[in-house]
Amino acid sequence: GQQVMQIPQYQHVQEGEDFTTYCNSSTTLSNIQWYKQRPGGHPVFLIQLVKSGEVKKQKRLTFQFGEAKKNSSLHITATQTTDVGTYFCAALTGANNLFFGTGTRLTVIP
Amino acid sequence: NAGVTQTPKFQVLKTGQSMTLQCAQDMNHEYMSWYRQDPGMGLRLIHYSVGAGITDQGEVPNGYNVSRSTTEDFPLRLLSAAPSQTSVYFCASSYSGTGLHFGNGTRLTVT
Repeated sequence: GQQVMQIPQYQHVQEGEDFTTYCNSSTTLSNIQWYKQRPGGHPVFLIQLVKSGEVKKQKRLTFQFGEAKKNSSLHITATQTTDVGTYFCAALTGANNLFFGTGTRLTVIP
Repeated sequence: NAGVTQTPKFQVLKTGQSMTLQCAQDMNHEYMSWYRQDPGMGLRLIHYSVGAGITDQGEVPNGYNVSRSTTEDFPLRLLSAAPSQTSVYFCASSYSGTGLHFGNGTRLTVT
């Protein structure tokens, strides 16, 4: 089945520092989605990337889809304590099934 | 809109017991799915449905059954609970090709 590898598994940053998580696949992806899960909460959809080389921004969050559509990244500029949580990438396959990466748990130190 | 509603929030079962996790959505989404989340393993797809009357298996379907008699409801049945099924279960729904809306989850412990 579809596999997406996500790194790093954990990241601790000082508040105000930047943060990046990476998602890699050995196969070409039709598209990729990103989710955020707060501690004790449920995943919340952030964005979907479809086009090769696509870059989308949501305030301090920048999402990129690689030219070969085999990798993606999420970059947060100047982290805040509200950014704490686990960020998942997920690859979309047929029938709208998503295969999730293992996630990157972000801790922001005030 | 209530979104995706899951019940119960918590459940403790003994090995061998059966139960049904309920999931309902009020967004008229045709696609619904069940995931389990275990530490360090992300979310894994159990079963999914692309519409009423249609269900199919995901990555980890063994030990679970589903049905989709209506667009709104997608219950997950554990046939004979095992300790390996201790997990957090999430139901999700969406329009095809769009982001998933997740319920708040059910934390299940099997002793």
